[in-house]
Amino acid sequence: GENVEQHPSTLSVQEGDSAVIKCTYSDSASNYFPWYKQELGKRPQLIIDIRSNVGEKKDQRIAVTLNKTAKHFSLHITETQPEDSAVYFCAASIVSGGGADGLTFGKGTHLIIQP
Amino acid sequence: DAMVIQNPRYQVTQFGKPVTLSCSQTLNHNVMYWYQQKSSQAPKLLFHYYDKDFNNEADTPDNFQSRRPNTSFCFLDIRSPGLGDAAMYLCATSGYSQETQYFGPGTRLLVL
Repeated sequence: GENVEQHPSTLSVQEGDSAVIKCTYSDSASNYFPWYKQELGKRPQLIIDIRSNVGEKKDQRIAVTLNKTAKHFSLHITETQPEDSAVYFCAASIVSGGGADGLTFGKGTHLIIQP
Repeated sequence: DAMVIQNPRYQVTQFGKPVTLSCSQTLNHNVMYWYQQKSSQAPKLLFHYYDKDFNNEADTPDNFQSRRPNTSFCFLDIRSPGLGDAAMYLCATSGYSQETQYFGPGTRLLVL
């Protein structure tokens, strides 16, 4: 089955700086890669996602890059703000005509924004 | 508003006493998922349904069962909860040929 590795486990950055979180996956059949933000006691919230036919996607301060050959994808957050502090999970799944298989998550990155 | 609803939000059960968690959705999505998230860990897929087609993960314990009587509802049954089953249980849904999974608020299970 799929295995997703995520690094680092904890990331502390100064407010206004950029943060980068990296993930690798093992199953070349995976074709969908979402990133979730989870605050304590709350449900995971999708912040950005990318399909395997796209190399990069951006949404305001958040961007994701995908390297299919190397089987890795990264989350980039620019101009970090205190409200960006949370746990971030990367995930991978296979999407077909019938729908999406379940997500395999990385272990998570605790992002801390220092004021 | 269309959404994924989980009841109850908090569930306390006794060691070995069967418990059922429920999930309902108004999105008319064909795929429903159950994830287990233990404290400070990532969500882990237990099983999912494509319509009525049940897909069990290889490492999901037999103690966990699921039912999906119709499109809108899905249940997670824990036959004999152990202390190690204390966790947040998250239900999610997605639609035909769609990748986005919509998570419910979760049910936090405590086993005494």
